[in-house]
Formats: sequence, C-alpha cells, structure tokens
Amino acid sequence: GQQVMQIPQYQHVQEGEDFTTYCNSSTTLSNIQWYKQRPGGHPVFLIQLVKSGEVKKQKRLTFQFGEAKKNSSLHITATQTTDVGTYFCAGSGYNFNKFYFGSGTKLNVKP
Amino acid sequence: ETGVTQTPRHLVMGMTNKKSLKCEQHLGHNAMYWYKQSAKKPLELMFVYSLEERVENNSVPSRFSPECPNSSHLFLHLHTLQPEDSALYLCASSQGGTTNEKLFFGSGTQLSVL
Repeated sequence: GQQVMQIPQYQHVQEGEDFTTYCNSSTTLSNIQWYKQRPGGHPVFLIQLVKSGEVKKQKRLTFQFGEAKKNSSLHITATQTTDVGTYFCAGSGYNFNKFYFGSGTKLNVKP
Repeated sequence: ETGVTQTPRHLVMGMTNKKSLKCEQHLGHNAMYWYKQSAKKPLELMFVYSLEERVENNSVPSRFSPECPNSSHLFLHLHTLQPEDSALYLCASSQGGTTNEKLFFGSGTQLSVL
C-alpha cells in the first residue's frame, strides 16, 4: 500500500534558527498537503502542492514538491516560538478522498 | 472554529461498553472521514464517506462501526473495545468529488479504554 515517510521525528531548535522537515512517498502522488497541529489541537491545513517541482511560500515557510512528485519539504526560516507544533505531510494518490499522512515532525522552539 | 464539530471531547469507557462518537460539519462538504491518531504513529485513515456512501474501509476491526445518515453527520459506533484502541479520534470533511481537496478537522475525541 501507499506509504508516506517523514523525517525527522523530532527537532529542537533555538529561536531564530531554521527548520526543515522532509517527506517521501513510495509512489507518485497527485498532490501533497501540509498540516500543522499545535499541542492539544487538531491538524490545520497549511498548503497544497500539485505540480512537479512546485515551490510555494507563506511568509517564513517554503514548501517544495519534488520533480518526480514523490517527495516534499517544508522549510521554516528564523523560527519563532509560535512555530511550535507537529508538522504533517499528507499525500494523495489518484484515487481522490484518500490522504496518507506522514508520521509528523514535532518542532520545539526554545526562546 | 473549523466548521467541524465533534462530541464528546473526552470519553472514558470500559471494554464492555457501547458508545458513539458524533461529528457534524457546517461547511456544505460532501466527503467525511474518520482518522485515528495514536502516540508515535501517523494519522490512520479509518473510513471515508462520499455523498453518504462508504468509499473506504481501511481494514478497521469490526468493533468500530461507522454511520453516515446524511452528508453533514458522521458517527462512529464503538463496542467491546480494547485498551490499544485508546487514541484521539479525528473527524474531517472535504468538498468531495475532486482530486485536490483540503481536509478540515474537528477538535477530536480523546478516547480512553480501561
């Protein structure tokens, strides 16, 4: 079955440092989405990437989708304490309504 | 407020109990989902309903029984659960019918099975 692997599992950074999390799929994806879950909260949609090689930015966050549409990354520049949470990627194949989540990267930012 | 409401927020039940989780979405969506979130494991897709028809049953034990009476409501009926079923159960909805959709999650029900 389809699998989405995500690394690292945990990341502790000092405020102001950069952070990156990576996702890899065993199969080609039709699109990939990123979600953020704050401690005690629920996943909240951040962005969706659809095109091969696509790059999108949201303020300090940069999202990339690989050329082969099998991998993706989320990079945060100059982290802030408000960035604390778990970041999940979710890949979707060409069978819509099925989203496979990575295991998540838990980000802790020390002030 | 995401437009997806789950009740109860917390539930403690014994292994012989029967309980139900409820989810309601106010977004006009046509697809609804149940996900299970356990510690140190990825979000696991359990069931998908599209236009009130179950389109995915991801090898979930029969002690979990979903029900979707209409496109706005989704239930998860629980009976004779095991302690390893303790987890956060998340409901989500999406527009439905397209390949590129985002999920809107409810706040979840934190379930503890004693």
